[in-house]
Order: sequence, then C-alpha cells, then structure tokens
Amino acid sequence: GNSVTQMEGPVTLSEEAFLTINCTYTATGYPSLFWYVQYPGEGLQLLLKATKADDKGSNKGFEATYRKETTSFHLEKGSVQVSDSAVYFCARSRGGADGLTFGKGTHLIIQP
Amino acid sequence: EPEVTQTPSHQVTQMGQEVILRCVPISNHLYFYWYRQILGQKVEFLVSFYNNEISEKSEIFDDQFSVERPDGSNFTLKIRSTKLEDSAMYFCASRPPPRLAGGTGELFFGEGSRLTVL
Repeated sequence: GNSVTQMEGPVTLSEEAFLTINCTYTATGYPSLFWYVQYPGEGLQLLLKATKADDKGSNKGFEATYRKETTSFHLEKGSVQVSDSAVYFCARSRGGADGLTFGKGTHLIIQP
Repeated sequence: EPEVTQTPSHQVTQMGQEVILRCVPISNHLYFYWYRQILGQKVEFLVSFYNNEISEKSEIFDDQFSVERPDGSNFTLKIRSTKLEDSAMYFCASRPPPRLAGGTGELFFGEGSRLTVL
C-alpha cells in the first residue's frame, strides 16, 4: 500500500544548527514526494517537492532529494532559524486523482 | 495568488448535532479533497471528489459523512450526528488538472476548520 514513515518528534535544535528530518516511503509505483509545513495555528503549506528519482526539491534553504534506491526523501537545512519552528509533514502521491498520504509529522522546535 | 478558503475557521457544536464545513477550492481545479487532523496527530485522508462524485473514501468516511458540490464553487463536508471523536481540524484541498501542474499531484490546502464537539 501507500505509506510514509518519518522520524518522531519533537526535534529540538539551537539556532544555526544543521537539520535532518528522515522520511521513507513505500515503493508502490512512482510517486511524487512532498514536504509540507504547518506553522502554529495555520494550515498546510507546500515546502518543496520532487517528482522523480534523483530530483532535488528546494525552498527557503530546505532541500530534499528523491532517493529511489533507499525509498527516502529526507529533509535538510544547513542552518535553521527560530522562524523554522513548525510541524513538517512528508507526503507521497497516492496515484490517480486520489491525493496524498502523509507521514505523522515532525514537530521542530528551534531555540535561540 | 488564488487560494483555497474554508469556513468557519472554528465551530463548536453539541454531540449529536449536524455540522457543515464549507470550502471554496481554487477556481480552475477539478479534484477536491477533505482531510482530518486530530490534535497533534497525523493528517488523515477522508475523501476525494472528482466530476461530481466521490472517487475514493477512507474507512474513516463512514455513513455519518457526506460531501457535496452544490453550486459549482462550494465544496462541503457534512457530518451528521457528531461524536466527541469528530473533534479535529478539517482541511479542504484542491488540485488542478494534471496538465496544469506537471502531473505532480500537489495539493493546495485551505487554512482548516477546527471542529470542537462537546
């Protein structure tokens, strides 16, 4: 089936630290992969995406590379800021018109 | 920039009452979705809707739920006889025709409607 597994949170880092949030997906078909971010009290916003193997999505200093061999799409940022504090959701397309399957979300807390 | 809008932002209701959550998807989108997020938990798929009918629904989407596109712009989720465990944030999403978005499957989400059942 379609599933996404991401690391449990909360993840607490100091400002300017390096961030990795792991995400793996089930290898059913050839999904598109996404990271969505949810800031406190807000909805889901697309952070970045990748549609095929070896694609790298990037936005706001965040990057993730579609790794077919390891079925992974880990989110990275070289130097996090307090404003990056949010919940991050990894997601994969479900095929056809049927939307996305989300991971459980990782709560990221950046301390000054 | 076009966006998905949802109303109400927050609704409080008594157990057993009916609730209708409303969404206005982006105007040239053809696929519509409802997702649910119980506080602090994962975002769960409820239902997808295309060409005026449900294309897929999850096991959560039982007979107490229904969706409708009554007038070509609104997309509603009705919950009949609400239960305490229906308390959650409900997100509407829409998606353009594949040819307009490169076929990526990206969804555009609204800000959500928080439902509190007492």
